[in-house]
Amino acid sequence: GIQVEQSPPDLILQEGANSTLRCNFSDSVNNLQWFHQNPWGQLINLFYIPSGTKQNGRLSATTVATERYSLLYISSSQTTDSGVYFCAVGSTTSGTYKYIFGTGTRLKVLA
Amino acid sequence: SQTIHQWPATLVQPVGSPLSLECTVEGTSNPNLYWYRQAAGRGLQLLFYSVGIGQISSEVPQNLSASRPQDRQFILSSKKLLLSDSGFYLCAWNQGWGNTEAFFGQGTRLTVV
Repeated sequence: GIQVEQSPPDLILQEGANSTLRCNFSDSVNNLQWFHQNPWGQLINLFYIPSGTKQNGRLSATTVATERYSLLYISSSQTTDSGVYFCAVGSTTSGTYKYIFGTGTRLKVLA
Repeated sequence: SQTIHQWPATLVQPVGSPLSLECTVEGTSNPNLYWYRQAAGRGLQLLFYSVGIGQISSEVPQNLSASRPQDRQFILSSKKLLLSDSGFYLCAWNQGWGNTEAFFGQGTRLTVV
């Protein structure tokens, strides 16, 4: 099955710093999403981005499907950005659609 | 707009007891439904998915089962819980052929003691 790897696994930043999170996947996918899991466990949708570039405030994401990777950029980080960031890729296997999650990047932003 | 509900939010159950977690989606019809589990400090593992009433596919052999008795209702069950069933359970939905944005419920934190 598809393998999804995220890097780095852990990241510590000072408030105001910028960062780039990476998601690599091993096969062609139909879909890709980025999520932020807050300290209460809730998964917040950040981007639905099967290809191209999107921006939402201080966050932006780029997916290059042909090269099988996606990047999440966080600029001017804030303490509220802390948590775990997941990418999830969607693919059709045996006619059924599934989302497979990466291992996550745990981000801590220090005040 | 569409919303997804999961309950209960937290649950503490003794080993050997039964389990029933419920997930419902509002504001849409014929959604694809998913159950995921997240062990402490780990990623999300797909357990079951359903593309329609009574249609359940299992990803990982385990002590759990799923059912979809109604179009927008997805239930996760166990007859006898094991310690290893502890974790954070998340329900999700998306639409169409599946290559659309997925949305997650608030999750149920299950502790088996």
